[in-house]
Amino acid sequence: NAGVTQTPKFQVLKTGQSMTLQCAQDMNHEYMSWYRQDPGMGLRLIHYSVGAGITDQGEVPNGYNVSRSTTEDFPLRLLSAAPSQTSVYFCASSQQGGSEYGYTFGSGTRLTVV
Amino acid sequence: SQQGEEDPQALSIQEGENATMNCSYKTSINNLQWYRQNSGRGLVHLILIRSNEREKHSGRLRVTLDTSKKSSSLLITASRAADTASYFCATMGNSGYSTLTFGKGTMLLVSP
Repeated sequence: NAGVTQTPKFQVLKTGQSMTLQCAQDMNHEYMSWYRQDPGMGLRLIHYSVGAGITDQGEVPNGYNVSRSTTEDFPLRLLSAAPSQTSVYFCASSQQGGSEYGYTFGSGTRLTVV
Repeated sequence: SQQGEEDPQALSIQEGENATMNCSYKTSINNLQWYRQNSGRGLVHLILIRSNEREKHSGRLRVTLDTSKKSSSLLITASRAADTASYFCATMGNSGYSTLTFGKGTMLLVSP
């Protein structure tokens, strides 16, 4: 099925560990983004990409790295996990910024840092 | 910082009633979008309205946009229990590489 696939769905990390959250889309979308969702905070943009090889920071980029080597994949790396990074992470993609179809979201990764 | 702010934070209605949610934003926009999120799931795009549009319909959804007041409303007519979800507005600015900025959402509960 066409869409955005995120793995893993759940993850528990110890403080200081690193990991990569995977995101892949098969719709040939140019735009891809990573958001985190915390209770009462809505969604906040971490990093985004407007095409392969192009990435930029969002509202809350500290502690996270991204790269975009292909159109399909946009992994998010946590360099040294902290309890403040406990959150639900969503990856999203779009044909273009103002597409009538909006963003397509993955089902999320629920991350707990202990 | 959040661009859009939804009002109310929570809304509880009976099936068959209409639900209205409002969104206010601060800076000029290219478009405004509404999304739905069922508990524990990803967001689903509902409708997009551009800055030069005032009203848009999609099925039981009606969206209005007032750029002079920097506000939008989402009306769901004849609500169903399946409409129970959180609803978010998201704005896209006018810069070349614009991203979506989300509000904190309205939790809608539709009781049978």
